[in-house]
Amino acid sequence: LAKTTQPISMDSYEGQEVNITCSHNNIATNDYITWYQQFPSQGPRFIIQGYKTKVTNEVASLFIPADRKSSTLSLPRVSLSDTAVYYCLVGEGTTDSWGKLQFGAGTQVVVTP
Amino acid sequence: DTEVTQTPKHLVMGMTNKKSLKCEQHMGHRAMYWYKQKAKKPPELMFVYSYEKLSINESVPSRFSPECPNSSLLNLHLHALQPEDSALYLCASSQDGVPTAGIGLYGYTFGSGTRLTVV
Repeated sequence: LAKTTQPISMDSYEGQEVNITCSHNNIATNDYITWYQQFPSQGPRFIIQGYKTKVTNEVASLFIPADRKSSTLSLPRVSLSDTAVYYCLVGEGTTDSWGKLQFGAGTQVVVTP
Repeated sequence: DTEVTQTPKHLVMGMTNKKSLKCEQHMGHRAMYWYKQKAKKPPELMFVYSYEKLSINESVPSRFSPECPNSSLLNLHLHALQPEDSALYLCASSQDGVPTAGIGLYGYTFGSGTRLTVV
């Protein structure tokens, strides 16, 4: 599985856009980029996944440049309830990596009024 | 039902006690996992069950004993734990089978965890 690097923490105010960049220089051709969100005392939950270009859902957007060596999770107009740890994971989910959902350090996002 | 349910939510046990953590899902997932998470650290994989068979043990000490009685249930039996084993224990499940083509890492559903304190 490709190693990922992301900022340890980010602070924001309510209503602002938060962008978290994840570096994954050794991403393989078949790897996907997947983000999970974890609230305190809860398990992580899937929020978005992409392979290339841009993916958007009701929660977030994921921007992936052409070289795929990094990706940016964008949280639009954050609220206090977006305070959480965000994990960037890279992998293909095939028999080699299946079951090996391995989390990096994650980014603690704190949203204040 | 799209949830993974873990019980109990909190557990305090002595170092000589025997206790069990329980995890249940009714999504038809055939893979189930145990993770351990220490404070301010990411979850660490402990065990993986596939079709009720143990497929991955990440060199976990024998004082942790997993069990998968059926496709919906996963237990973690605890015995002679140490204070450093205090952590949040998370159960997860994912879609059946082992993918032969890459699908990414999106299909995991986690429970809310059991907060374990060893005294």
